[in-house]
This record gives sequence, C-alpha cells and structure tokens, in this order.
Amino acid sequence: SQQGEEDPQALSIQEGENATMNCSYKTSINNLQWYRQNSGRGLVHLILIRSNEREKHSGRLRVTLDTSKKSSSLLITASRAADTASYFCATDKLRGNTGKLIFGQGTTLQVKP
Amino acid sequence: DAGVIQSPRHEVTEMGQEVTLRCKPISGHNSLFWYRQTMMRGLELLIYFNNNVPIDDSGMPEDRFSAKMPNASFSTLKIQPSEPRDSAVYFCASSLTSQFFGPGTRLTVL
Repeated sequence: SQQGEEDPQALSIQEGENATMNCSYKTSINNLQWYRQNSGRGLVHLILIRSNEREKHSGRLRVTLDTSKKSSSLLITASRAADTASYFCATDKLRGNTGKLIFGQGTTLQVKP
Repeated sequence: DAGVIQSPRHEVTEMGQEVTLRCKPISGHNSLFWYRQTMMRGLELLIYFNNNVPIDDSGMPEDRFSAKMPNASFSTLKIQPSEPRDSAVYFCASSLTSQFFGPGTRLTVL
C-alpha cells in the first residue's frame, strides 16, 4: 500500500505567492523527506525532518510534521518561476529501516511569472 | 563528486531485445536503489541493495527483470526480453541517509 500521499495533485500560483503542499502517510516513521523533480530530471533532496521534530526551515522552505495526524506540509514562500516542478514526500519505516523510502504520487506545482 | 551516474541516458529498442541499464553510485554510499517512473504508476521502487546485497526485490515486475551489484561502485538492471510496457524512465539512487538520484535512463521499447 502507498505510504505517502500528497495533495493537491496539482497547484498553480503566481510568482511571489506562497505554495503549500500536504503529505499524509500510514505507518510510524523515523523521518520524512521532501524531494523536487524538474521535468525530465531525477529527484533532488530538499529537506529531511525527523519524527521528533515539528518544524524545519531551509531558505524559503518550511516543513512541518504532525506525527499524531501522520501528516506533513511543505511551504514554499515567495515562489519563483524556477520553483515550477513536482514535489514528492517520502517516508521510511520506523522498524527494520534499511534506507528504503516510499514515495507519494507527488504534487505538480506551476509558478506563473 | 560527480553524483550518481547512469548510462545510457536514452535507449530505444525493439520488443524482445535485451536491455541493460547501468549505475555508478556515489562513492561511500552503502545503499543503492532502482526505481521506475511512469505517468500512470508514478515512482515505483523495483529493488534495493544494502552493502551490495539485495534486500528487497518485491517491486521487480516479473522474471524478465534482474539486477546485480557485483561491487560497491556498480550496478546493473537487465530486462530480457523487453516489452513495450517496460517503456519508462528508470532511476538509480544511492544513499547513506538521504537518497541522491541519478539523471535516469529513458527507455522506449517499440
């Protein structure tokens, strides 16, 4: 069964606006990660948040994690046209973790100039 | 470091032919992953290795798919015989904690 599910599936905003993407998962985790994929490219790691953390920042990115609701959000502030990409959340398993990640279906973000 | 290296970047072949995809992970990483990505099914984990040992191959579609990791710096994913439904982008990733993805191989089976 799919571990991570993002919503919305697609998001279109104007440059300068904030973009928020959500991710829900099913089982207990050690950490949750967000990745970006530009069209025709591989995924690029953005940020990792551990299960004992509630919020993390990296530049214009802000990630929250609510383990009680098994959900996470990724906020991109002051978006730019270059942020246009697909964004994926990925989770590991709390027990027996060997580095395997389960990826969601992704949110496609379009930032219009 | 050059990152994860995959070859070829594009492969077009005819149904029934053998296809071999190659991956060189980042030096020092101890886990290697093979993924397949399509519009219909998204990103699927096919198989992953830890310290060159296959840990979980439950994502391999069928016996036509096989993967090897003879040493810490090289892995192959082979499809024999290939079918049109195998057309996809195949990614290799390596990790210590976070995964680093290669550029992918776009496979088209005619």
